[in-house]
Amino acid sequence: GENVEQHPSTLSVQEGDSAVIKCTYSDSASNYFPWYKQELGKRPQLIIDIRSNVGEKKDQRIAVTLNKTAKHFSLHITETQPEDSAVYFCVAPMTNEKLTFGTGTRLTIIP
Amino acid sequence: GAGVSQSPRYKVAKRGQDVALRCDPISGHVSLFWYQQALGQGPEFLTYFQNEAQLDKSGLPSDRFFAERPEGSVSTLKIQRTQQEDSAVYLCASSLGGQHNQPQHFGDGTRLSIL
Repeated sequence: GENVEQHPSTLSVQEGDSAVIKCTYSDSASNYFPWYKQELGKRPQLIIDIRSNVGEKKDQRIAVTLNKTAKHFSLHITETQPEDSAVYFCVAPMTNEKLTFGTGTRLTIIP
Repeated sequence: GAGVSQSPRYKVAKRGQDVALRCDPISGHVSLFWYQQALGQGPEFLTYFQNEAQLDKSGLPSDRFFAERPEGSVSTLKIQRTQQEDSAVYLCASSLGGQHNQPQHFGDGTRLSIL
């Protein structure tokens, strides 16, 4: 089955600075890579996704890059704000739509 | 509705009791998923429906876990003879389906505590 490694597990960033979270996966058939943000006690929220036919996607302060050859993808958050504090999960689904979540990164934005 | 709705929001049961958790997916969503999230962990896949058909139940941890979606809309996850290790948040997600890898949208989950 799919194996997704995510790092770092915790990340503290000064407000206004950038944050980068990296993931690697094993299943070469994966072709859709969503990222979820989960605040304490809340539902996982889809914040951005990328498909394997593109290498980068941006949405305001959030961007995701994908390197299919190396089987890794990254989340970049620029100009971080306190409301960005949460746990972030990368996901690599198997081809039957079953999502395999990474281990999560607890991001803390320091005011 | 506007989003995936789950009930109850919290459930406390004594060990050995049966519980039933409900999920109302987004209207028109063909695919429905159940995940289990232990404290401090990421969600882990339990089972998946496309309409009323249960296409994958490989993540169900034991035969005490049973899920159904008889009319292709609302789904129920049932856990029989609950054990303390069943304590977790149970998340439901739905997607448009129809083709691979549509975005999955999650409900707020049911926090299950087994005493």
